[in-house]
Amino acid sequence: SAVISQKPSRDICQRGTSLTIQCQVDSQVTMMFWYRQQPGQSLTLIATANQGSEATYESGFVIDKFPISRPNLTFSTLTVSNMSPEDSSIYLCSARQGGEQYFGPGTRLTVT
Amino acid sequence: AQTVTQSQPEMSVQEAETVTLSCTYDTSESDYYLFWYKQPPSRQMILVIRQEAYKQQNATENRFSVNFQKAAKSFSLKISDSQLGDAAMYFCAYLSGGYQKVTFGIGTKLQVIP
Repeated sequence: SAVISQKPSRDICQRGTSLTIQCQVDSQVTMMFWYRQQPGQSLTLIATANQGSEATYESGFVIDKFPISRPNLTFSTLTVSNMSPEDSSIYLCSARQGGEQYFGPGTRLTVT
Repeated sequence: AQTVTQSQPEMSVQEAETVTLSCTYDTSESDYYLFWYKQPPSRQMILVIRQEAYKQQNATENRFSVNFQKAAKSFSLKISDSQLGDAAMYFCAYLSGGYQKVTFGIGTKLQVIP
């Protein structure tokens, strides 16, 4: 199984600023994803992070707001740009190996 | 598009008893995977059990087992000998055999009563 770490684990940010979340996997994986989870809710896929090319965004999410990088097969970043209180959420990194999908511990973001 | 339905927002079980969480899904595919994830208050998503659709045998992991009914598109999770540490949100999830995105249900909150 893949072990995923995320940094930071939590942050409190002011509106209008940006935060970059880092995701590191302990082994090479074919696919990496970023999810958002509102309190008490299920997971919503933001985008698929593609190695060496632009991320694939889900409906309702755009690159200008959530730029994503994936420079190699073990690392990805998600930036939450020009934050507003509505961006307060947990952001989860995920990686797929074969037919299994694993998750990082999440980043709890609070925007004031 | 695939959908995953968890009809029980909350469940409770006495410690050491057995509880079953229900999940149904809708798909036109024949090749897919189904999962149950556990998310305790620490928010770490933990893969509990996985079922491949082509396997008729129900998956089992220690105290966790599934009842997979492919024709009925049902995938329930049974937790035996419930422990306090089993208290968490449980999410049912679907993955196409073509390895597209995972679809999650809305979750079931399980409370374990001492």
